[in-house]
Amino acid sequence: QKEVEQDPGPLSVPEGAIVSLNCTYSNSAFQYFMWYRQYSRKGPELLMYTYSSGNKEDGRFTAQVDKSSKYISLFIRDSQPSDSATYLCAMNTGFQKLVFGTGTRLLVSP
Amino acid sequence: EADIYQTPRYLVIGTGKKITLECSQTMGHDKMYWYQQDPGMELHLIHYSYGVNSTEKGDLSSESTVSRIRTEHFPLTLESARPSHTSQYLCASSAMRGTGPSTNEKLFFGSGTQLSVL
Repeated sequence: QKEVEQDPGPLSVPEGAIVSLNCTYSNSAFQYFMWYRQYSRKGPELLMYTYSSGNKEDGRFTAQVDKSSKYISLFIRDSQPSDSATYLCAMNTGFQKLVFGTGTRLLVSP
Repeated sequence: EADIYQTPRYLVIGTGKKITLECSQTMGHDKMYWYQQDPGMELHLIHYSYGVNSTEKGDLSSESTVSRIRTEHFPLTLESARPSHTSQYLCASSAMRGTGPSTNEKLFFGSGTQLSVL
């Protein structure tokens, strides 16, 4: 079983929709949670970073961590075609290297 | 925008050839990483370095080797390429210092090298 599970998609939504991207994990020692965005033929770029449980908001993006359920989410409000990319969750305990999800491909149509 | 560069962007090469994938960063970061990414799969760490003259193997076994003679440069070499080496190779760096635990480590990635071995 993988430590981090992520639905590969693709997830197709119309412009303006609220998007919810999710990851589940099995290691209860994970404390640091990140979301990377990867455009086609590019490397991942850090989008959001959270520590432990709770929410963090940055513009149209909100990252949410529920450690009791071992579940993290990334919400995108008012989605734009420029948000079309693959979104990878990543996490670690603080004592190991990052563990990545497989990524969810998001397609936002005009 | 992160200043980390990978060359070449695309490489198609025959079996048995020796290849070197280049990675350079201008941010003065001590830590550098090589990841392998296949379609629909998670990123796998194959090599990393804490600084000059430091190289470590990652979680995924790889037949490649790396060197770190200069802070800004972290090349990856395959002595004899095989079709099983076909993949995307991503280089990354981090501003975190030291060899200890990596807590809130944030990685900056290059655009990757797509390698195809025929």
